[in-house]
Amino acid sequence: SAVISQKPSRDICQRGTSLTIQCQVDSQVTMMFWYRQQPGQSLTLIATANQGSEATYESGFVIDKFPISRPNLTFSTLTVSNMSPEDSSIYLCSGIGAVNTEAFFGQGTRLTVV
Amino acid sequence: AQSVTQLDSHVSVSEGTPVLLRCNYSSSYSPSLFWYVQHPNKGLQLLLKYTSAATLVKGINGFEAEFKKSETSFHLTKPSAHMSDAAEYFCVVIGSGGSYIPTFGRGTSLIVHP
Repeated sequence: SAVISQKPSRDICQRGTSLTIQCQVDSQVTMMFWYRQQPGQSLTLIATANQGSEATYESGFVIDKFPISRPNLTFSTLTVSNMSPEDSSIYLCSGIGAVNTEAFFGQGTRLTVV
Repeated sequence: AQSVTQLDSHVSVSEGTPVLLRCNYSSSYSPSLFWYVQHPNKGLQLLLKYTSAATLVKGINGFEAEFKKSETSFHLTKPSAHMSDAAEYFCVVIGSGGSYIPTFGRGTSLIVHP
């Protein structure tokens, strides 16, 4: 199974600033995703991170607010731009293995915007 | 399209009694199904997975789940609840031959009373 290292694990940020979250996988995964988990809620898909091309965003999420990069098969970043208190959430990255489609998750980034 | 429904937002049991967390799925293809647990302020931990092998799947910490295609269900059970089982549980579906995006249920909060 794959291990996903996600950092930072938590941060407190000023409104109007941006934060970049990184995910590094210890083996190749076929697909990578970014999720948001707002307090007391389930995980909502933000986008699918595509290697070497623009991410595919879900309804309600836009590239200007959540730019995503995936330069290779094992690394991806999510930036939360121009943050407001409403962006306070846990952000998780996920990868799908090539063999049995099991999903692997980072430990999450707990973001608080003040 | 695929979707997953966790029928209960909260389940309350006494320590030592059985646990049943219900999950129904909808998928156009043979899915892979997972249960994850999230303890307070912790990351997601895989409990068990079904990927088209045995329909009765045993996981960690005494949990098991049975895949019932005719009922499109994947309910999670445990014979005897422990206080440490108190957490949020997520049922996740990944479709084969179609969408490989992990789709989460809304989550079920398991409360264990002494």
